[in-house]
Amino acid sequence: AQTVTQSQPEMSVQEAETVTLSCTYDTSESDYYLFWYKQPPSRQMILVIRQEAYKQQNATENRFSVNFQKAAKSFSLKISDSQLGDAAMYFCAYRAPSFGNEKLTFGTGTRLTIIP
Amino acid sequence: GAVVSQHPSWVICKSGTSVKIECRSLDFQATTMFWYRQFPKQSLMLMATSNEGSKATYEQGVEKDKFLINHASLTLSTLTVTSAHPEDSSFYICSALHPDIPGNTIYFGEGSWLTVV
Repeated sequence: AQTVTQSQPEMSVQEAETVTLSCTYDTSESDYYLFWYKQPPSRQMILVIRQEAYKQQNATENRFSVNFQKAAKSFSLKISDSQLGDAAMYFCAYRAPSFGNEKLTFGTGTRLTIIP
Repeated sequence: GAVVSQHPSWVICKSGTSVKIECRSLDFQATTMFWYRQFPKQSLMLMATSNEGSKATYEQGVEKDKFLINHASLTLSTLTVTSAHPEDSSFYICSALHPDIPGNTIYFGEGSWLTVV
């Protein structure tokens, strides 16, 4: 079974600085999808960024980028120019590519605090 | 991004009664939806996968007779908590698989707080 591990329960960063959240996963699949979701205090799950495993290029969305290391099964999220609105729980998630098995497997989350 | 709406946001019910939570995909058709439960300060726990026109697939340990899931249309899935007990109090979140977004991205509803008194 696939597992997702987030080893940092809590992280903090100074406003305008850069922070990296770690995520590792375990799978025997060669093709799959990886996601980072943000959950602010409102509890709404918001998609931050998506990465397809067959793509070598790291995904980027504005201030958010990933470092995808397929061989190491690592998928870290970098947040540049941190803003107060970035404070939230961040969940790393894995999804198999196969039809009929699209469920997400989540890590335990990292609580990010932004220091003004 | 795509919009998934969940209703109600908050619900209080008495022990022994049933309560229904709705999950709607507003701007796309979702053949597959998912229901999660989230305990305080914990990650999301998948309860079941809801497929339009067929029976839901429940995760191990989830009582299917207690948590009834119906996916009667391509835009609506419902979760009914039957004979609710205080231990069923929790945050429930639905999500929907978007068939047209690359990677079949999954979008989440706003969640529903259930309190059983």
